[in-house]
Amino acid sequence: NAGVMQNPRHLVRRRGQEARLRCSPMKGHSHVYWYRQLPEEGLKFMVYLQKENIIDESGMPKERFSAEFPKEGPSILRIQQVVRGDSAAYFCASSPPITGNKINEQFFGPGTRLTVL
Amino acid sequence: RKEVEQDPGPFNVPEGATVAFNCTYSNSASQSFFWYRQDCRKEPKLLMSVYSSGNEDGRFTAQLNRASQYISLLIRDSKLSDSATYLCVVLRGGSYIPTFGRGTSLIVHP
Repeated sequence: NAGVMQNPRHLVRRRGQEARLRCSPMKGHSHVYWYRQLPEEGLKFMVYLQKENIIDESGMPKERFSAEFPKEGPSILRIQQVVRGDSAAYFCASSPPITGNKINEQFFGPGTRLTVL
Repeated sequence: RKEVEQDPGPFNVPEGATVAFNCTYSNSASQSFFWYRQDCRKEPKLLMSVYSSGNEDGRFTAQLNRASQYISLLIRDSKLSDSATYLCVVLRGGSYIPTFGRGTSLIVHP
C-alpha cells in the first residue's frame, strides 16, 4: 500500500517560470491538503480539495497560485511566475473520507522542495 | 495571539530523561488535537491523537487541559531516536482545516 507520493522531490525554477507540483494520495483517500513550510517556520495550510472540488482555499495566495484535484490523476499545485519568496517545502497530505464527526489522521507525502533562483 | 503556540526550544536532554512540552491554543471551540513528529527535512508523521481523558502510548503520554487551553506531551526514558521536532495540531469544531504550531525541537544526547 503505497503512501502519499509527491513529485518532483526537488524543483529548481528561475524567477518568472511556472512550477507544477504533483501529489498522488494514498489509495482510498479522497481528500487532499496542500501545505507550505518555510525554513524555521511551521506548516501553513494552503488548500483543501476533494475530487473535482476545492473545499477551502483560504490559505492560498490570491494571485499566481492554483490547485486542482481532477477525477483522474494526481492533485496539482501550480505556481505561476515564481518569485524567490516562493522557495519553500510544499507538503501534500491525504486523508480518507470523513465519517460522521470523526476527523481522520492526515498522511503526509515526502514534500517537494522548490528553489527559485 | 497566535492560534497555536509552542516553545520552539531546543530542549536538550540526556538519554533516559523525561521531558514534557506544552502547546497552548487560543480558540476555545477547538475540538481535535494531535501531536505530530517531524524529522529534519522529512514529512510530519502522526505521533498520537490527544483525547479528553488523556492517552498513553508506550513512553509517550498526551494530556488535554480544556480549562487552560493547552495540550501536553510527555516523553519518558528519552532515546536518541526521539530527537525531532514535535508539532502540535489543533482543529476547531466544525472545521476540517488543522492549524499547526511551529514545533518544539528536542535533542536527546548520549
